[in-house]
Amino acid sequence: SAVISQKPSRDICQRGTSLTIQCQVDSQVTMMFWYRQQPGQSLTLIATANQGSEATYESGFVIDKFPISRPNLTFSTLTVSNMSPEDSSIYLCSVDRTGGGPTFGSGTRLTVV
Amino acid sequence: QKEVEQDPGPLSVPEGAIVSLNCTYSNSAFQYFMWYRQYSRKGPELLMYTYSSGNKEDGRFTAQVDKSSKYISLFIRDSQPSDSATYLCAMSANTGNQFYFGTGTSLTVIP
Repeated sequence: SAVISQKPSRDICQRGTSLTIQCQVDSQVTMMFWYRQQPGQSLTLIATANQGSEATYESGFVIDKFPISRPNLTFSTLTVSNMSPEDSSIYLCSVDRTGGGPTFGSGTRLTVV
Repeated sequence: QKEVEQDPGPLSVPEGAIVSLNCTYSNSAFQYFMWYRQYSRKGPELLMYTYSSGNKEDGRFTAQVDKSSKYISLFIRDSQPSDSATYLCAMSANTGNQFYFGTGTSLTVIP
């Protein structure tokens, strides 16, 4: 299965600032996915990123708040913009595994103060 | 009603115990069922992947699906301290379709 490298692994940010999370996959994939994992809540899909097209956002998530780039078939970034304490969460990058469930990166633990 | 319900625990067991983790779901279209293990400060790691009803065994782990009851289980035999983690169930209606996750059950195995 694919190996996903995600960075930073954690960060503490001031409210009102932005953070860009990077996700690198060791093989070419068509779609990459970004999830949010908040304490006590299930993983929530933020958006699906296809190379060469606009990301598709799930209900409750908008491009202005979570802009995504997908410049090639092995890389994507998620930016959390104009952060507030409510954005404190774990952010996960994932790719689909053929014949199995999604594979996840190690996650980015974000704390907004 | 949530698509997937999972008891968050925490669950604490002595080393060597048999652990039973469970999820219920509401969507009868779900056919693919997964269990993930997530260690602290790590991403979820796929443990078991099953299709439709029945049992699947992999070493000390057994995944069980009862579609008639909309109920899935993960059994861990001879539990070890290294099994201490959060376990997430997940499911989908089709491969490549949207995945629905439980909230996770926190497990501690005490030496």
